[in-house]
Amino acid sequence: ELKVEQNPLFLSMQEGKNYTIYCNYSTTSDRLYWYRQDPGKSLESLFVLLSNGAVKQEGRLMASLDTKARLSTLHITAAVHDLSATYFCAVDYNTDKLIFGTGTRLQVFP
Amino acid sequence: DAGVTQSPTHLIKTRGQQVTLRCSPKSGHDTVSWYQQALGQGPQFIFQYYEEEERQRGNFPDRFSGHQFPNYSSELNVNALLLGDSALYLCASSLLTGRSPLHFGNGTRLTVT
Repeated sequence: ELKVEQNPLFLSMQEGKNYTIYCNYSTTSDRLYWYRQDPGKSLESLFVLLSNGAVKQEGRLMASLDTKARLSTLHITAAVHDLSATYFCAVDYNTDKLIFGTGTRLQVFP
Repeated sequence: DAGVTQSPTHLIKTRGQQVTLRCSPKSGHDTVSWYQQALGQGPQFIFQYYEEEERQRGNFPDRFSGHQFPNYSSELNVNALLLGDSALYLCASSLLTGRSPLHFGNGTRLTVT
């Protein structure tokens, strides 16, 4: 069965700093998602990565995918408080059967 | 264009009862998947419906069942509720043949007392 591991589980960052969240998975897949979740809310889609070497950027967030290493990263540039949330990576195991990582709870402080 | 809609938003049930949750997919989507998210955890895949049939299933007991209607909407039924069934239940829709990205609804928060 596919396993998806994220690290770190918790991340406390100062505003303006950079950091990277890592997502490792155990079986090949043709797509990987990054989601954001605010407390008590549903999942907000951030990125869909479809191929090896894919890189997508939106604002202060940039996601990349290395299918050979089975690794995806979510890089945060110059963090701001509004980025505080829980971030999940999810690997498509079999046509929309997503296996989610454990999540990274991000707190950005002044 | 309405996205994925779920009802109800919140629900409180007692152990042993049965519950039905509903989902209307995004316009143009034909596939509905259900996920359970316990507090502090990532969502877990329950099952997926396409053409009114269960297409694939996760590691959930038979107490969890579902249905898809001709208009692509779906229901999730849980029988003999346990305290551990308390969770946020998320519905996601997609277009299977086009491999479109998943769209998630706002979820139903189920509390079992």
